[in-house]
Amino acid sequence: EDQVTQSPEALRLQEGESSSLNCSYTVSGLRGLFWYRQDPGKGPEFLFTLYSAGEEKEKERLKATLTKKESFLHITAPKPEDSATYLCAVSRGNTPLVFGKGTRLSVIA
Amino acid sequence: KAGVTQTPRYLIKTRGQQVTLSCSPISGHRSVSWYQQTPGQGLQFLFEYFSETQRNKGNFPGRFSGRQFSNSRSEMNVSTLELGDSALYLCASSLRVAGVYNEQFFGPGTRLTVL
Repeated sequence: EDQVTQSPEALRLQEGESSSLNCSYTVSGLRGLFWYRQDPGKGPEFLFTLYSAGEEKEKERLKATLTKKESFLHITAPKPEDSATYLCAVSRGNTPLVFGKGTRLSVIA
Repeated sequence: KAGVTQTPRYLIKTRGQQVTLSCSPISGHRSVSWYQQTPGQGLQFLFEYFSETQRNKGNFPGRFSGRQFSNSRSEMNVSTLELGDSALYLCASSLRVAGVYNEQFFGPGTRLTVL
């Protein structure tokens, strides 16, 4: 059974304090790993897709990386508006996405 | 390009009633997936429709059903509501090229409260 574990469950950072969120996965034949951002009461917003180990993608202060067992979402010099829950999901291609429970990030000014 | 839309945004129902939720995908997307999100369980897959056919189904009771129309719009129905059905119901659309699940784009969700 495909599994996704995200850590930590919650993270509190000072503005400008860089950190990383972790997404560990157990899936046979990974076809894609997806990162989403979700604000309270809203639907998840798509951020990145990673397809193979070694791949990296960046968007503003966010950088996602992928290894054979986990993915990291690095947040550089975060701002209060980066506060949200970050979700990770995996797919084997022909099966529905399996989501982790997310990391709730709070950035304090 | 317009995003995924869901209606209604909020619903309050009582136990035993039934409810129908609607989702309009991004233009050109033929795959629509439905998820239930609760604080304890996170995002759980309900089912997916592609070209008016259910392609995959999650581990939910038969009270949860859906359908898709020829214009790719989808509806989800929950019958005989239970208190535990209170959740945020999310719809996501994707291109689903060659049967592959690629990135999905979510709507704002419908917040269902069962009293």
